[in-house]
Amino acid sequence: AQSVTQLDSQVPVFEEAPVELRCNYSSSVSVYLFWYVQYPNQGLQLLLKYLSGSTLVESINGFEAEFNKSQTSFHLRKPSVHISDTAEYFCAVSLATDKLIFGTGTRLQVFP
Amino acid sequence: DTGVSQDPRHKITKRGQNVTFRCDPISEHNRLYWYRQTLGQGPEFLTYFQNEAQLEKSRLLSDRFSAERPKGSFSTLEIQRTEQGDSAMYLCASSLGTGGFYEQYFGPGTRLTVT
Repeated sequence: AQSVTQLDSQVPVFEEAPVELRCNYSSSVSVYLFWYVQYPNQGLQLLLKYLSGSTLVESINGFEAEFNKSQTSFHLRKPSVHISDTAEYFCAVSLATDKLIFGTGTRLQVFP
Repeated sequence: DTGVSQDPRHKITKRGQNVTFRCDPISEHNRLYWYRQTLGQGPEFLTYFQNEAQLEKSRLLSDRFSAERPKGSFSTLEIQRTEQGDSAMYLCASSLGTGGFYEQYFGPGTRLTVT
């Protein structure tokens, strides 16, 4: 069975500072990896995904995540955060055209 | 493309009552998923449909829960004899599905409060 662990429930950070949201997964088979973002009072949106190929994936708004198979991790990073990045971030795994298995989420709070 | 819609957005009910939620997926999306999200947790898978066929149900989906997707279009999730533990956000997602990975697009959710 697959599982996802997000080590930090909350991450407070000042605007323009770098941030890393940690995600580790457990699976005996290859999985697809995702980060979803949930802004206040909005639905879940896909931020970025790793399916295959390059282990470094990027989103259009400056986030990136690196798939590390040996450490079974898929940490999310951004070199300089904005107030508008304040949201809940969920890491998830999938076995393809299958259900998503989510972590418990990390609340990113960006302060001015 | 108006996205995935869910109705109602909020539902307050008394314990023991039945409730039904509706999800309208993005048109032409043949896969439809239901998830449940409780406070402080990530979404948990409940069930999914490929067109009108229900292909998988989580053990979280007790006998009081039933989901349908008639004609492979909209879907309904019914909870009978609601319990306080059913209080949660119920999320619906849809995707083009089959073969490789297709992004799941989520609706805004239906927040259920059982008093």
